[in-house]
Amino acid sequence: SAVISQKPSRDICQRGTSLTIQCQVDSQVTMMFWYRQQPGQSLTLIATANQGSEATYESGFVIDKFPISRPNLTFSTLTVSNMSPEDSSIYLCSVDLGADTQYFGPGTRLTVL
Amino acid sequence: AQSVTQPDIHITVSEGASLELRCNYSYGATPYLFWYVQSPGQGLQLLLKYFSGDTLVQGIKGFEAEFKRSQSSFNLRKPSVHWSDAAEYFCAVGGDYKLSFGAGTTVTVRA
Repeated sequence: SAVISQKPSRDICQRGTSLTIQCQVDSQVTMMFWYRQQPGQSLTLIATANQGSEATYESGFVIDKFPISRPNLTFSTLTVSNMSPEDSSIYLCSVDLGADTQYFGPGTRLTVL
Repeated sequence: AQSVTQPDIHITVSEGASLELRCNYSYGATPYLFWYVQSPGQGLQLLLKYFSGDTLVQGIKGFEAEFKRSQSSFNLRKPSVHWSDAAEYFCAVGGDYKLSFGAGTTVTVRA
């Protein structure tokens, strides 16, 4: 496995503002993923972030709302833009360490007031 | 399209009793199947995975799962539950580097 960290672990934000979430992994990985887990719900894939290419977004998620950066093989950021209370969720990053197996970070718990 | 169904939203089990969590999947090819556990306030931890071969898979924390192709199922079991097993359990099916998760089953352990 790998050690995956996320910052911040939690935050409370005002509507209309933006928050950038960082994901750091202790080894080089090609594929990183961002998920959203709304309260009491399962995980939904937001986008796949591969180093050296634009992120690939899933249906229902757009780059203007969730811009992603992937500057190197150990780091990625997800920004939640122009937030509303409906964006209150846990945001998780994951990495694929091979054989289609994903390992997850601890998550960022976001509350939007 | 791949999908996962976890029929049980919530299960309560006594400490020391056995536990079985159900998972049914839909996938066009041979699936990659996973069970993850999420303790309160934590991220997801991989319990076990199935890719091919032996249909009975052993995982961490004393969990095992059995793949049954004829039933499109991948049920998770533990012979004797500990209080620390109280958590949310997610079944997932993978393919093309994407995971689709079930809705999850919340396990409550009573003393």
